[in-house]
Order: sequence, then C-alpha cells, then structure tokens
Amino acid sequence: DVKVTQSSRYLVKRTGEKVFLECVQDMDHENMFWYRQDPGLGLRLIYFSYDVKMKEKGDIPEGYSVSREKKERFSLILESASTNQTSMYLCASSLRGKETQYFGPGTRLLVL
Amino acid sequence: DQQVKQNSPSLSVQEGRISILNCDYTNSMFDYFLWYKKYPAEGPTFLISISSIKDKNEDGRFTVFLNKSAKHLSLHIVPSQPGDSAVYFCAASAQGGSEKLVFGKGTKLTVNP
Repeated sequence: DVKVTQSSRYLVKRTGEKVFLECVQDMDHENMFWYRQDPGLGLRLIYFSYDVKMKEKGDIPEGYSVSREKKERFSLILESASTNQTSMYLCASSLRGKETQYFGPGTRLLVL
Repeated sequence: DQQVKQNSPSLSVQEGRISILNCDYTNSMFDYFLWYKKYPAEGPTFLISISSIKDKNEDGRFTVFLNKSAKHLSLHIVPSQPGDSAVYFCAASAQGGSEKLVFGKGTKLTVNP
C-alpha cells in the first residue's frame, strides 16, 4: 500500500513564525504535491515537484516555499505565518505518468 | 475561473437508495477524471477514475459516467450505505502529462439509516 505520512496532525503557531510541514512517501513516487483545503474552496494546489530539487508553483504559492532534497520527502515552508494561512494542509504523491495521487492524513494548522 | 464544478454542496439520501453526485468541467483538454472520498480530519482517498476514451467505469457499488459532449460526469453509488457519508471531490487532469489535478469544491454526502 502507498503510504504518505505528514509530520504533524495538528499544529498551532503564532503570527510571524516560520513553519515547516514535512511529508514523506514510501512508494518511490517521482511526483509530490502540497494542497490546502478550506471550507467551500475545495483543494487548491500550492506547489508541486516532479523530481528531486525541482519545484513548480501551483495556483496559490504566495506566502509559501518548498524544498525537495530527497525523493521521498517534500517540505512546505511558511516563511512568516499569517492568520489567513490557517487551514488543512494535504500532501500527495504519484508515479510519473500516472494521474492518481495518494494523500497523507493532513495537517490542520492554526495560526494565532 | 473554476474549471471543475460541483454545483451541489450537499446531498442527502436514504440508506439503500442510489446516490448521484455530479461534476461539470469547462476545459476540453481534460482527458482523465477521478473521484476522491474524504472523511473529516483525514486525507482524501482515491475512489474511481475514468479515461476520456470511455463513457462508463464500474467498481463494485461505484460507477462513474462520462458525457464528453456535455462536459459532465457523475458518480453513482448503489446501494448507498451510512459509511458512504463523506465529502466527495471530482478531479480532472489535462492532456500533456502534467499530472496535475484540478479539483472541484466537493459535495458532502449524507446517507441516513
């Protein structure tokens, strides 16, 4: 079974803090994705990566950056957390050439 | 501009009856469609998919129908069970191998016992 794990299920941070969200997949997938889910807005793509050290902006990259130093790990960084970044963050991975993405359990982030 | 639309935010059905969830899309380059199911506080799980070369795909109680001319797809769940109560997301992928998915906003299905 594909397993995608996220470092925290729940996180509370203060405005202005730097926040790291970690995602690890164990299926040797080339593609990795970060989304946020907000009520009434569905899943919106923040950043994605097709390979190690490669990254591309999604639909809402502002305020975020990412790092992919190893194939299995994709990190989302909030350089200076703001209250409008309070959300559910979802990581996903997929094989190159395949559309089906497999999701982690999500991290619910609250920025105070 | 919303390329994948799920116009019903919620749907309520009785256990044992059919649930029909609808999805419309605007981008004619979409050639692969997926449905995901999401329980609260969990990540979405893949349910079923369909390629644009087909008009129907079945997996147990779940069937997805694709009408390319209408740019419409639907997910049928028969019979519906209380455990099917979740948010269902429709997603689409465009030609060109980008492998990105565009998601709809979701439909919350409630199956009443």
